[in-house]
Amino acid sequence: DADVTQTPRNRITKTGKRIMLECSQTKGHDRMYWYRQDPGLGLRLIYYSFDVKDINKGEISDGYSVSRQAQAKFSLSLESAIPNQTALYFCATSDPAERNGYTFGSGTRLTVV
Amino acid sequence: AQSVSQHNHHVILSEAASLELGCNYSYGGTVNLFWYVQYPGQHLQLLLKYFSGDPLVKGIKGFEAEFIKSKFSFNLRKPSVQWSDTAEYFCAVFGNEKLTFGTGTRLTIIP
Repeated sequence: DADVTQTPRNRITKTGKRIMLECSQTKGHDRMYWYRQDPGLGLRLIYYSFDVKDINKGEISDGYSVSRQAQAKFSLSLESAIPNQTALYFCATSDPAERNGYTFGSGTRLTVV
Repeated sequence: AQSVSQHNHHVILSEAASLELGCNYSYGGTVNLFWYVQYPGQHLQLLLKYFSGDPLVKGIKGFEAEFIKSKFSFNLRKPSVQWSDTAEYFCAVFGNEKLTFGTGTRLTIIP
């Protein structure tokens, strides 16, 4: 099994719909992150969490919300999806004690029509 | 706040050519630098990292990078590229408890 699992892998949704992207990890890491990837823009941080009670906005949090249900689970929600939220979304985990950088999930490709 | 610049947006090389991808960073604290690779249709994978010590770091698949503090640079190199190196490459700096990525360089290797 993958260390970081994202579901769904692909999703097409309509404008205005609420959608949730899920991420679970088996690394035992406290820190989890949500990034979106757009061509030519690299990866931009949406939200991050250092433990279940700690949630922080990243550089592009508008239009998104998150929930840290447990140490292993970190979900990203689009309250009312819009077409410019079409992107590839990655979840990642890290452990400062390991200093190995991040472990990424396989990504969710979201298309808003 | 930290930032990363990757000036090469798309690089096209023939097999066996030498590679150097530029990366410049801005961060006022202790620098932790990374290069990630994303093969087509896949997630990001760690190529190499620098925390301290020898400024020349070696990673997987024959890649290396040199940290030059005076130039705020962390360029990625490979002496002889292969077709399988076709991918997108991201430089990143860790600071303020999070990783900040550059915009990426798409590398295309022509057989």
